[in-house]
Amino acid sequence: QKEVEQDPGPLSVPEGAIVSLNCTYSNSAFQYFMWYRQYSRKGPELLMYTYSSGNKEDGRFTAQVDKSSKYISLFIRDSQPSDSATYLCAMRSAGNMLTFGGGTRLMVKP
Amino acid sequence: DTAVSQTPKYLVTQMGNDKSIKCEQNLGHDTMYWYKQDSKKFLKIMFSYNNKELIINETVPNRFSPKSPDKAHLNLHINSLELGDSAVYFCASSQGGRGRATYNEQFFGPGTRLTVL
Repeated sequence: QKEVEQDPGPLSVPEGAIVSLNCTYSNSAFQYFMWYRQYSRKGPELLMYTYSSGNKEDGRFTAQVDKSSKYISLFIRDSQPSDSATYLCAMRSAGNMLTFGGGTRLMVKP
Repeated sequence: DTAVSQTPKYLVTQMGNDKSIKCEQNLGHDTMYWYKQDSKKFLKIMFSYNNKELIINETVPNRFSPKSPDKAHLNLHINSLELGDSAVYFCASSQGGRGRATYNEQFFGPGTRLTVL
């Protein structure tokens, strides 16, 4: 069993929909929780990070962390075709070594 | 003005060969990393390195070795390439970030797609 589990998708939604992406994890030592976006044939780029439990909002994106359930989410409001990409959750405990989920491929159709 | 760059972008080689991938960052960061992304998009850390410490993921075969000529460069050498080494390799960098109470964003390069025939 992987430390971080993520549904690979693909997830297909119409433009303007609210998207919910999720990850579960098993290591209770994780303290930082990140979401990366990766376009095809490109490197991952950081969208948001959250320290410990709670919510964080940045424009159309909201990240939620529930440490008691070992569950994190990324919500995208008013999704756009330009949001079509693979979304990777990542987590970190001590040091700066990140543990990634397998990524969810999102397709937003005009 | 590329922040993290890698060469080559594509690498096709025969099984058993030795190859290197180069990485350079112009962000002034002190820590660099190598990741492997397999065909299912699973991204896994291989090495974390700064001028004082090399941290190796225990699952990485010793055929893989990072070499850093200076703070801005971290090259990946792979000996005796195997079919299972085919993947996309990403270099990344960050400034510090080893403490629990700090977060330091990792910036990723564009990746090197390695195909072993």
